[in-house]
Amino acid sequence: NAGVTQTPKFQVLKTGQSMTLQCAQDMNHNSMYWYRQDPGMGLRLIYYSASEGTTDKGEVPNGYNVSRLNKREFSLRLESAAPSQTSVYFCASSGNFFVSDTQYFGPGTRLTVL
Amino acid sequence: GIQVEQSPPDLILQEGANSTLRCNFSDSVNNLQWFHQNPWGQLINLFYIPSGTKQNGRLSATTVATERYSLLYISSSQTTDSGVYFCAVESFQKLVFGTGTRLLVSP
Repeated sequence: NAGVTQTPKFQVLKTGQSMTLQCAQDMNHNSMYWYRQDPGMGLRLIYYSASEGTTDKGEVPNGYNVSRLNKREFSLRLESAAPSQTSVYFCASSGNFFVSDTQYFGPGTRLTVL
Repeated sequence: GIQVEQSPPDLILQEGANSTLRCNFSDSVNNLQWFHQNPWGQLINLFYIPSGTKQNGRLSATTVATERYSLLYISSSQTTDSGVYFCAVESFQKLVFGTGTRLLVSP
């Protein structure tokens, strides 16, 4: 039981490049989330998926897209990376939508955009 | 939107000391969670505590929802307690995080 896994752990991009961050959970959770954490700040919600087949915007969705591929997997795509997207990205999952349930976090992806 | 303030922002303790971390929020909430982010960046959920008191080993938490604050108590601190402690509250069905308390426990 690995919990929530994320790939890659580290990534360096040039401005304008695209990439997809992958997230998978093996806890049979219905809900999944993507957050970003900037230095000295708490986490901010980018997108979430309350259940398989649905996605919704969070607090800071601009510049990102998501795909809930199946119940296990939820990916985050940067179509044209910008330096302002340099951050640590966390994926999380919870049993049921939404916040009245414990969220479990992956180890994070540290992204640098030059 | 809802404001979440944590204090103190930084805390340095000697191993074995006790501490209290505070989380104030600006509106009534149905959900409040405490998280620990270890020095390697891993986030662990400590408590789901919209009201009342819970204890887990050396850690306990109390939320007084009517007065809009929550406290996290750490007793007999250990070096492994170092990291950043976040509280997060629900606002419009989304978790809003505070900026955290950075704790350093020295041997």
